[in-house]
Amino acid sequence: EVQLVESGGGLVQSGGSLRLSCAASGFTFRNYWMHWVRQVPGQGLMWVSRISGDGSDTSYADSVKGRFTISRDNAKNTLYLQMSRLRADDTTVYYCSRGGAFSYGPFDYWGQGILVTVSS
Amino acid sequence: VLTQSPGTLSLSPGERATLSCRASQTISINYLAWYQQKPGQAPRLLIYAASTRATGIPDRFSGGGSGTDFTLTISRLEPEDFAVYYCQEYGISPPSTFGQGTQLEIK
Repeated sequence: EVQLVESGGGLVQSGGSLRLSCAASGFTFRNYWMHWVRQVPGQGLMWVSRISGDGSDTSYADSVKGRFTISRDNAKNTLYLQMSRLRADDTTVYYCSRGGAFSYGPFDYWGQGILVTVSS
Repeated sequence: VLTQSPGTLSLSPGERATLSCRASQTISINYLAWYQQKPGQAPRLLIYAASTRATGIPDRFSGGGSGTDFTLTISRLEPEDFAVYYCQEYGISPPSTFGQGTQLEIK
């Protein structure tokens, strides 16, 4: 059974940093692109970042470019999102999700989500 | 940009629901997906490649369309189908974009 479990969220001050983790199981992690998606509670979904299976290719939404860094450790089956220079509008629920074997692919499995709150 | 309509759809169980997703530019090779999200839960993939049901999705859910206009149809609404539905473009180049969602509520 595919499982994605996020951790590392919480309360952080504006300008601070936080690292989210997503532990993956039930599939061959290195074979899949992985994504981070965020959602303000009660609002829509916004794609944040993606990373290729081998970690060599990454992309970011304009709103987080230069502040967030996505990475992965295929030996540990874990995806990361290092967030720095956090702002109040980064306060959302963050989901990790599995993409396809190629750069294009629907997000077929999602974690339960983790809340990040940035206080000003 | 993906624009979903209507914003809210009020129907009764047993009725047919048709949700729309319009793209500002042609979506190549129909890289269009639909997701269902219930309160407090993560999104769930329903349809990908515009019309292919994901694993385990009941056949009352169907997707159609191409180019810039796509639809999600639920043939006979079950009580568990009342939720928010999002469309998504997941093409080769980032960013992946989501529509703003359609709230399907019980009438």
